[in-house]
Amino acid sequence: AQKITQTQPGMFVQEKEAVTLDCTYDTSDPSYGLFWYKQPSSGEMIFLIYQGSYDQQNATEGRYSLNFQKARKSANLVISASQLGDSAMYFCAMREKGSSNTGKLIFGQGTTLQVKP
Amino acid sequence: EAQVTQNPRYLITVTGKKLTVTCSQNMNHEYMSWYRQDPGLGLRQIYYSMNVEVTDKGDVPEGYKVSRKEKRNFPLILESPSPNQTSLYFCASSNIWRTGLSSYNEQFFGPGTRLTVL
Repeated sequence: AQKITQTQPGMFVQEKEAVTLDCTYDTSDPSYGLFWYKQPSSGEMIFLIYQGSYDQQNATEGRYSLNFQKARKSANLVISASQLGDSAMYFCAMREKGSSNTGKLIFGQGTTLQVKP
Repeated sequence: EAQVTQNPRYLITVTGKKLTVTCSQNMNHEYMSWYRQDPGLGLRQIYYSMNVEVTDKGDVPEGYKVSRKEKRNFPLILESPSPNQTSLYFCASSNIWRTGLSSYNEQFFGPGTRLTVL
């Protein structure tokens, strides 16, 4: 079963507008964390934001915020005031504590975001 | 500077020629892992290690070996590479999971190794 689902293979957004990238997850572990990574065309993985399953408030990091809806198992990334440099692939990932505490990171398939000038 | 390094960054090789991709981290992390990235599939875990001399298979271990003789190093070994191992490879490291400590659980990624097997 797919544990992380990103349903938008590709998206466009106009520069300076906000955009939401969808992510749903599936776990029965009460201890988990959700991550968003950005991968520009150069290939490196850039950490953007993290939300822990016990965190009461939605995480924010500059122009990035995570819309965490625990009951719906949803962890959407919101990018405000898009910039041309935001054009990249974005990955949602989950880390479960698990019974053996391996802390493995499970990734979605990714969403390609293109920002139009 | 806290970082994960990988070498080489790019490699073109031929089927059957043994190769090693090195990975090193300077953050004293217990947990290290290798992922491969393929179009449409995201990143999938190959092998991981919880500490020195403790390694285990991830989701796609066939055709790969690893070792963890020192805490900082976690090399990926392809004994007999095949064209279906052409991929982008990432090494990552982190602390062992801690519930409730947000920044503690981040995984740090190396810059990636683009491998082509002809």
